[in-house]
Amino acid sequence: EAGVTQSPTHLIKTRGQQATLRCSPISGHTSVYWYQQALGLGLQFLLWYDEGEERNRGNFPPRFSGRQFPNYSSELNVNALELEDSALYLCASSLWDRGYHEQYFGPGTRLTVT
Amino acid sequence: RKEVEQDPGPFNVPEGATVAFNCTYSNSASQSFFWYRQDCRKEPKLLMSVYSSGNEDGRFTAQLNRASQYISLLIRDSKLSDSATYLCVVIRGAGNMLTFGGGTRLMVKP
Repeated sequence: EAGVTQSPTHLIKTRGQQATLRCSPISGHTSVYWYQQALGLGLQFLLWYDEGEERNRGNFPPRFSGRQFPNYSSELNVNALELEDSALYLCASSLWDRGYHEQYFGPGTRLTVT
Repeated sequence: RKEVEQDPGPFNVPEGATVAFNCTYSNSASQSFFWYRQDCRKEPKLLMSVYSSGNEDGRFTAQLNRASQYISLLIRDSKLSDSATYLCVVIRGAGNMLTFGGGTRLMVKP
């Protein structure tokens, strides 16, 4: 069974630009989660999508946004990039049926903002 | 105070040793608990869920103490391949998002 996939692997942008990161969940999983892992800060929850809707978001500014498509894949958009947005962005997927299921992570997209 | 706290380590142990990590959480409403493992520059991988009754998976044993709000991970007969960062993870409420501790780094030496 294929795992969670993310693209691109690496992304280099300059300050003020926009970045788009993509995630495909494990087949059959309906929920997609986005996390940021910045150096020295640990993993922070960004966004949760299920069945095409945003279910929850973490403590991040509105320039972090995303969406989930009918095939359950997801996009994370970061507008007006700042240097501190440089981080590893991890996507995870799970089932969700009003109960918790384990989340499985993709390999991540390493975003560098110069 | 961070919601989930771990000793960052590193814990340097010889092969074959037994090592234990603790993790404390501050929110008594926390409902689900997990240990993830993360290798350098890789994604976190689920190691095991932590149940109130405690659970064991081979050389790994996880325990939950709700009264004292901590969870533990015991690794017996450490292998070189156990070298990694171990992340304590908590879920509270219906939000379904994982709250991660900062991780404990384990280095197993020959």
